[in-house]
Amino acid sequence: GEKVEQHESTLSVREGDSAVINCTYTDTASSYFPWYKQEAGKSLHFVIDIRSNVDRKQSQRLTVLLDKKAKRFSLHITATQPEDSAIYFCAASASGSWQLIFGSGTQLTVMP
Amino acid sequence: ETAVFQTPNYHVTQVGNEVSFNCKQTLGHDTMYWYKQDSKKLLKIMFSYNNKQLIVNETVPRRFSPQSSDKAHLNLRIKSVEPEDSAVYLCASSWDWGGQDTQYFGPGTRLLVL
Repeated sequence: GEKVEQHESTLSVREGDSAVINCTYTDTASSYFPWYKQEAGKSLHFVIDIRSNVDRKQSQRLTVLLDKKAKRFSLHITATQPEDSAIYFCAASASGSWQLIFGSGTQLTVMP
Repeated sequence: ETAVFQTPNYHVTQVGNEVSFNCKQTLGHDTMYWYKQDSKKLLKIMFSYNNKQLIVNETVPRRFSPQSSDKAHLNLRIKSVEPEDSAVYLCASSWDWGGQDTQYFGPGTRLLVL
């Protein structure tokens, strides 16, 4: 079955710098790639997603890139702020699949 | 604004006991899910429920069972808890069946099995 690998378990950046979190997936049928954020002591909430019919999607300071050939997708956060500090989870799902497969999470710390 | 509600927030119990967790969503979504998040923050889907159709992750032990009265409610029952069941259980909902739609998560129920 599908496996999603999240390459950075931790990432530290200075406030104002950019952060990049990378994920790879195994199932070539995967077509939906969301990202979720989990702040300390809280639940997950959706931040951005991308579908396989595009290779780039931007929402304010967040950009998701998708490279279907390499089976890789990434989350780019520009002008980071302390409130961006959280665990970020990537996920993937194939068309017709009933489930979303999550990566292991990246703890992003934005230092003042 | 919370739209997926879970109770209790926290539950401590002894090995072998039965526990039940509640989940309600007010978004009008058609599909609900239960996830387990372990101490390393790894997320594993347990169940997906839509229009009375239940899909079970085959790795979930049989002591776990979901219970639904309507599409807005999906409870989780654990018949005889084991120490490895200690985790946070997250309920979620979405419009569409399957993993192709945004999921909205509840705050979670933390279970500690002594």
